Amino acid sequence: NAGVTQTPKFRILKIGQSMTLQCTQDMNHNYMYWYRQDPGMGLKLIYYSVGAGITDKGEVPNGYNVSRSTTEDFPLRLELAAPSQTSVYFCASSYRGGLAVYEQFFGPGTRLTVL
Amino acid sequence: ILNVEQSPQSLHVQEGDSTNFTCSFPSSNFYALHWYRWETAKSPEALFVMTLNGDEKKKGRISATLNTKEGYSYLYIKGSQPEDSATYLCAFPTNQAGTALIFGKGTTLSVSS
Repeated sequence: NAGVTQTPKFRILKIGQSMTLQCTQDMNHNYMYWYRQDPGMGLKLIYYSVGAGITDKGEVPNGYNVSRSTTEDFPLRLELAAPSQTSVYFCASSYRGGLAVYEQFFGPGTRLTVL
Repeated sequence: ILNVEQSPQSLHVQEGDSTNFTCSFPSSNFYALHWYRWETAKSPEALFVMTLNGDEKKKGRISATLNTKEGYSYLYIKGSQPEDSATYLCAFPTNQAGTALIFGKGTTLSVSS
């Protein structure tokens, strides 16, 4: 299993440009998440999905969009990049069955710089 | 606004020392408490998910305890090794489904040989 994979690893954008961060997991997890990590701020949840076709906002959703058309893929879209979106982005997935809570598995991250 | 606090922010110990960190979280509406280990240039990896008051979990030299009534969890590392150097994060789900994790800022441990 490759686990959670993310592309690209690094990207530099100009203000106003758009891009999609890709995330794929091969563990058949139903839940997927996008986080951003800023220095000294910890991980912040952007969006999450509990299954194909279902997405919901996290703590910091402004400026981002997501979709979940398949169980495996959960892309994150930045429509008009702003310097405030310079960050490291992590995708994660987890399994959910019944009332049990399971750990999240993280991808390697995408380092995005907006200039 | 829910807050998850971790202390200390950073810690430097010598190889062989035992150490512990604290995670404080809201004691009401408790669902679970996660611990993750995050090495530099890597991604976070799960250590424990704890759900019951009084729960104790152990993985090798690392163990954790949970007190949901007073809202804290301790992470212990026995006989620290240089490979234990990492940032240790705790996270608190704000819903029963565990879909919305609030992460603490972490405790960064540095172990010198």
